[in-house]
Amino acid sequence: DTGVSQNPRHKITKRGQNVTFRCDPISEHNRLYWYRQTLGQGPEFLTYFQNEAQLEKSRLLSDRFSAERPKGSFSTLEIQRTEQGDSAMYLCASSLARGQGAREQYFGPGTRLTVT
Amino acid sequence: GNSVTQMEGPVTLSEEAFLTINCTYTATGYPSLFWYVQYPGEGLQLLLKATKADDKGSNKGFEATYRKETTSFHLEKGSVQVSDSAVYFCALTPISSGSARQLTFGSGTQLTVLP
Repeated sequence: DTGVSQNPRHKITKRGQNVTFRCDPISEHNRLYWYRQTLGQGPEFLTYFQNEAQLEKSRLLSDRFSAERPKGSFSTLEIQRTEQGDSAMYLCASSLARGQGAREQYFGPGTRLTVT
Repeated sequence: GNSVTQMEGPVTLSEEAFLTINCTYTATGYPSLFWYVQYPGEGLQLLLKATKADDKGSNKGFEATYRKETTSFHLEKGSVQVSDSAVYFCALTPISSGSARQLTFGSGTQLTVLP
């Protein structure tokens, strides 16, 4: 078990460019979450997947944000036409959901995005 | 909606001092409650959790008790160490059928422990 990994760890981009981040969850985990964390704040939920199905995406910040999880394994988060306000840490987490119980989420190290 | 309110920081303590970080929540039903810790340069790690009223979560000398009557989940440690310096986040997740079980976080409390 190597934990949740995210790539790249840092991304600097110019305003207007598109960026894509990757998350590899813990292998047996069926749920995958994306969060955004800005300086001095707690993480804010963006979207989640149960296997390959994206079951909640209303919290994505705008239609410039999209996420995929093909084949229920790794996931990608894309931001199109980046803006300076998109600068933040993007966190991925995974969990193993069974029945009604709450399962802890395991977080990756995050991708820090800086838009210049 | 769900929300978490945490004691504002930063908090600075001397080694071996007693720590309390207050956390209160607003939620529908009875959520599960968590404390996560973020050490400098690292990702979020689960510190402890409690899933029902009066449960006590504990780990590494830290404790927190799920108090339904006061909607609180305060974090305590009897004797802090320099290595406890980090940002601490209180969080909840709803346990309603069909929910995303996403975490709702507080804004975090920065703890610095001086030798």
